[in-house]
Amino acid sequence: EIVLTQSPGTLSLSPGERATLSCRASQSVSSSYLAWYQQKPGQAPRLLIYGASSRATGIPDRFSGSGSGTDFTLTISRLEPEDFAVYYCQQYGSSAYFGPGTKVDIK
Amino acid sequence: QVQLVESGGGVVQPGGSLRLSCAASGFTFSSYGMHWVRQAPGKGLEWVAFIRYDGSNKYYADSVKGRFTISRDNSKNTLYLQMNSLRAEDTAVYYCAKDSNYGDYVRVGYFDYWGQGTLVTVSS
Repeated sequence: EIVLTQSPGTLSLSPGERATLSCRASQSVSSSYLAWYQQKPGQAPRLLIYGASSRATGIPDRFSGSGSGTDFTLTISRLEPEDFAVYYCQQYGSSAYFGPGTKVDIK
Repeated sequence: QVQLVESGGGVVQPGGSLRLSCAASGFTFSSYGMHWVRQAPGKGLEWVAFIRYDGSNKYYADSVKGRFTISRDNSKNTLYLQMNSLRAEDTAVYYCAKDSNYGDYVRVGYFDYWGQGTLVTVSS
């Protein structure tokens, strides 16, 4: 079983700043089967990124994903007020486990 | 547009049973695998179960194996989760989610659409 670790646990930033979220896997993630989801309070998760770097339909280009192997990054280039939320990475392909999440809150 | 609507949640005593439903529309339900994912209050996301497009294979998290059963009725565009021997730690919002992979694809895909969830509370 691949275990995902996300850091930091909480990221406190101001609107307009750049956010860099990390997701590390305990083993190599094959074919970059890595997704990112955003979840706001009281809402269902929403797919942001799949295949480590492909944006889902309707996702603004300020969101970008990168990485391969065991190290992956979600970058939000300039935080908008609606981007303050919890972000989860997920490994798929052979299983479907999630990381513990990173909360991005307003500084 | 794709819609997933869960129902069936509620309060149940420890050891009890509950069946959740997920009504799907806006896509060819019979062509996609489906998942259940849960989220305990204030906690992260936990994958619970997966069923292939035709119901031929089912997979479960260790935490629910032997107690929960995922199933589907493609004629009704509906996904189910039968939950037996419920425990306090099963208390969570339960989401159904659509798998991204079409048809007879071996690997599990990412989750491209999610329902709004239904709350299950296990308490005496």
